[in-house]
Amino acid sequence: DVKVTQSSRYLVKRTGEKVFLECVQDMDHENMFWYRQDPGLGLRLIYFSYDVKMKEKGDIPEGYSVSREKKERFSLILESASTNQTSMYLCASSLGLAGVISTDTQYFGPGTRLTVL
Amino acid sequence: AQSVTQPDIHITVSEGASLELRCNYSYGATPYLFWYVQSPGQGLQLLLKYFSGDTLVQGIKGFEAEFKRSQSSFNLRKPSVHWSDAAEYFCAVGSSNTGKLIFGQGTTLQVKP
Repeated sequence: DVKVTQSSRYLVKRTGEKVFLECVQDMDHENMFWYRQDPGLGLRLIYFSYDVKMKEKGDIPEGYSVSREKKERFSLILESASTNQTSMYLCASSLGLAGVISTDTQYFGPGTRLTVL
Repeated sequence: AQSVTQPDIHITVSEGASLELRCNYSYGATPYLFWYVQSPGQGLQLLLKYFSGDTLVQGIKGFEAEFKRSQSSFNLRKPSVHWSDAAEYFCAVGSSNTGKLIFGQGTTLQVKP
């Protein structure tokens, strides 16, 4: 079974802090994703990566950055956390062998609920 | 632009009753369509997907979905709902242009005993 783990289930940070959310997958997947989930808005893509050190902006990248130094690990960074970044953050991975993301099944971690005070 | 709409934010059904969750999409070409389920406290899990071929797709946990091009719909169905089906359900479309998944707003299913 594919396993996607996220470093924390719950996180509370203060405005202005630098925040790191970590995601690890154990199935040698090429693609990794970061989404945020808000009530009534579904999932919105923040960033994704199709290879080590490669990244692409999603639909809402402002205020976020990412890092993928190793294939299995994808980090989301909030450089200076703000209250409007309080949300559920979901990491996902997909196989990506065909190089086509849109048809891949994505496997999700359990999520990190971040509260910024 | 591609979009996905789930018209029902919240649905309540009795255990044993049938279920249909609606999903409408806007996409110019043949869409890649997915249904995911998110149980409380967990990440999303794929229920089923449609790329081409038979328009009635079978998934896990007894779910099925039917692709209707004329109605731009991909509704999820289950003949008899179990209490463990209470969860949030997301429809998504994969864009061959952008390579991304676009998710609907989600439908929360509550199951009454």
